[in-house]
Amino acid sequence: AQSVTQLDSHVSVSEGTPVLLRCNYSSSYSPSLFWYVQHPNKGLQLLLKYTSAATLVKGINGFEAEFKKSETSFHLTKPSAHMSDAAEYFCVVSYGGTGRRALTFGSGTRLQVQP
Amino acid sequence: GAVVSQHPSWVICKSGTSVKIECRSLDFQATTMFWYRQFPKQSLMLMATSNEGSKATYEQGVEKDKFLINHASLTLSTLTVTSAHPEDSSFYICSAIAPTDTQYFGPGTRLTVL
Repeated sequence: AQSVTQLDSHVSVSEGTPVLLRCNYSSSYSPSLFWYVQHPNKGLQLLLKYTSAATLVKGINGFEAEFKKSETSFHLTKPSAHMSDAAEYFCVVSYGGTGRRALTFGSGTRLQVQP
Repeated sequence: GAVVSQHPSWVICKSGTSVKIECRSLDFQATTMFWYRQFPKQSLMLMATSNEGSKATYEQGVEKDKFLINHASLTLSTLTVTSAHPEDSSFYICSAIAPTDTQYFGPGTRLTVL
């Protein structure tokens, strides 16, 4: 069965400092990997997705993630945190295609940005 | 970008009553939609896959007679929580697959059962 593990339930950074949210997935053939963000009382928003093209994926709002098959990781990074980045982030995996299958969500990482 | 809406955004009902939640894809047709459930401060758990014109596929442990899903058209799926109880209180989120193979999520419906 597919699975994804977010290593930190809570991350706190200062505004202007780098962000690193860690994610590992269970090894399988051709995973599609996603990062979603959920702001309070708002719907899930797709940040970026990896679908077997370039291993370094750039997303919206300055976020990017690197697919490392040898480490089965897909960590999310941003060079400089902004107050508006405070939210819940989910690492998500889908196998056997891109969006046509149900997604398996990680447990989530709450990002807190200190002024 | 593609938009998926849910109605209502929040609902409060009495124990024993039924509640219907609608999920609509506003600018694309979706043969497949998914229903997820999210408990407070937890992740999303897939409940069922809704296929237009056929029966929904439920995940293990989800009661199909309690959570009725109807995907009557290419732009609408409904989830009806029958005989609701307080333990059914949760945040229900739907998603729809666009022709681009991207899943778009609705804003969610918060259900509170008294």
